[in-house]
Amino acid sequence: AQTVTQSQPEMSVQEAETVTLSCTYDTSESDYYLFWYKQPPSRQMILVIRQEAYKQQNATENRFSVNFQKAAKSFSLKISDSQLGDAAMYFCAYRSASGGKLIFGQGTELSVKP
Amino acid sequence: NAGVTQTPKFQVLKTGQSMTLQCAQDMNHEYMSWYRQDPGMGLRLIHYSVGAGITDQGEVPNGYNVSRSTTEDFPLRLLSAAPSQTSVYFCASSLSGLFTDTQYFGPGTRLTVL
Repeated sequence: AQTVTQSQPEMSVQEAETVTLSCTYDTSESDYYLFWYKQPPSRQMILVIRQEAYKQQNATENRFSVNFQKAAKSFSLKISDSQLGDAAMYFCAYRSASGGKLIFGQGTELSVKP
Repeated sequence: NAGVTQTPKFQVLKTGQSMTLQCAQDMNHEYMSWYRQDPGMGLRLIHYSVGAGITDQGEVPNGYNVSRSTTEDFPLRLLSAAPSQTSVYFCASSLSGLFTDTQYFGPGTRLTVL
């Protein structure tokens, strides 16, 4: 069975600085997708970025980028130029090619200091 | 498009009561699913459906029933609520069950069982 682990329950960053959130996963599959979701206090789950496992190039979405290390089964999220609105719970998630369900990590609570 | 909608937003039940959490989507998505979110555990899959008339169990299905009579609606039923079911519940949908599809989440329902 696949598992996703986020070992940082809480992280803090100064506004305009850069922060990296860690995620590791375990799978025996070769095809899958990885996601980072943001959950602000409103509780809505918002897709931040996604990465196809077969692509070596790291995904980037504006200030958000990932460092995908397939051999190490690592999928970290880097937030550059952090903004107050980035404060939220961030979830790493795995979606298997053999089924539609998402498997989530435990989440990392990010706070941004002005 | 309203996207994925959930009702109610908040609910308090007494042990043993029954209720239905409603979920609807207007994007003509085939795949719908229910998750529960508990502190320190991320989101866990309860049940999912790959199309009208087809449902299957997820990671934590006990105490919950689902049905999918239409493409748009995917209600979650608690037949006899227990305090262990106190949680935040999210409904999600995607175009299909393919791992390449992005899942869209509803705003969540916060359920408290006394």
